[in-house]
Amino acid sequence: QKEVEQNSGPLSVPEGAIASLNCTYSDRGSQSFFWYRQYSGKSPELIMFIYSNGDKEDGRFTAQLNKASQYVSLLIRDSQPSDSATYLCATENQGGKLIFGQGTELSVKP
Amino acid sequence: NAGVTQTPKFQVLKTGQSMTLQCAQDMNHNSMYWYRQDPGMGLRLIYYSASEGTTDKGEVPNGYNVSRLNKREFSLRLESAAPSQTSVYFCASRKASGQETQYFGPGTRLLVL
Repeated sequence: QKEVEQNSGPLSVPEGAIASLNCTYSDRGSQSFFWYRQYSGKSPELIMFIYSNGDKEDGRFTAQLNKASQYVSLLIRDSQPSDSATYLCATENQGGKLIFGQGTELSVKP
Repeated sequence: NAGVTQTPKFQVLKTGQSMTLQCAQDMNHNSMYWYRQDPGMGLRLIYYSASEGTTDKGEVPNGYNVSRLNKREFSLRLESAAPSQTSVYFCASRKASGQETQYFGPGTRLLVL
């Protein structure tokens, strides 16, 4: 089992809809969780990080963390074509290293 | 601030050749990392340096060596390139473990023939 699992997609949503991206992790000791966005041919850039159970909102983005179930999700409201990218989930293990999932490709159709 | 810079942007090597990928950051970060990214595999950690003077292996260190030259610079060396090392390589830096997030460089695309 991979330490961080994501559905590779592609996930296709219409413009204006809510995109839901999910990630599960295996290390119960993980403390910090990150969502990165990566456009084709570019480097990853941080969208959100979350440390505590519950929801964290930033503009159109909401990260949700459930440590008991070992999953973290990212919701994108009012999806725009410019949101089309690969979204990488990462957890920080107790050694301080970030472990990345394989990424979910999101396509927002006009 | 330039952030994290990498050179070269693109490189073609023949099997058996050696090369060094350079990375520098101007954010006064303590920790630096080298990843490779292959289709469908996400980012895999090759080596990292938690602080100046220390380096440690990541998930896929075989075939690579690293040098933390000073606080700013962290280089990755391929001693004898193999086609399996064809990949996109990203350098990243972070203030310290457990603090904030990593900032990535623009990447180096490496093709080994």
